[in-house]
Amino acid sequence: AQSVTQLDSQVPVFEEAPVELRCNYSSSVSVYLFWYVQYPNQGLQLLLKYLSGSTLVKGINGFEAEFNKSQTSFHLRKPSVHISDTAEYFCAVIPSGGYNKLIFGAGTRLAVHP
Amino acid sequence: NAGVTQTPKFRVLKTGQSMTLLCAQDMNHEYMYWYRQDPGMGLRLIHYSVGEGTTAKGEVPDGYNVSRLKKQNFLLGLESAAPSQTSVYFCASSYSSTSGSTQYFGPGTRLTVT
Repeated sequence: AQSVTQLDSQVPVFEEAPVELRCNYSSSVSVYLFWYVQYPNQGLQLLLKYLSGSTLVKGINGFEAEFNKSQTSFHLRKPSVHISDTAEYFCAVIPSGGYNKLIFGAGTRLAVHP
Repeated sequence: NAGVTQTPKFRVLKTGQSMTLLCAQDMNHEYMYWYRQDPGMGLRLIHYSVGEGTTAKGEVPDGYNVSRLKKQNFLLGLESAAPSQTSVYFCASSYSSTSGSTQYFGPGTRLTVT
């Protein structure tokens, strides 16, 4: 079965510092990869996704992620975070041919401090 | 264009009571999904629908039923609520069955079963 591991449950960081949120997945088949963000008391919003092509994917709000097939990873990065980036971030995969069913990681809570 | 809406936003039930959660989307999407979110576990798929009149089980379907009588609506029912069903429930929809099609999420329903 497919699974997604987000290696850090919480990441505290100071404003304007860089951040990396780590995501690894287990799969023996091709997958599509996603990062979603959930702001407090809201639904999930798509940050970015990888379907094919360039392994470096740029998303909204200055975030980017790099797909590494050999390491089965899809880490999310931002070079300089803002207080407003405080949220929970979810990595998710869809195995190809998987009827578009998302498999989520447990989430990483990013806390940006002034 | 409201996107995906959910009714109600909050609900408290006693054990054994029943209720229905309503999800509506105005994007003419074919696919709709119900997820539950529990602390430390990310989102898990309960049921999904690939079109009007069709439903299928997801990862955690026990204790829930669904119906998709109209393309724009997807109902989630709890016939006899249990404390283990205390959770935040999210509905989502996507345009097509193509893996990788972005899922759009509603704002969630917070359900407490006492």
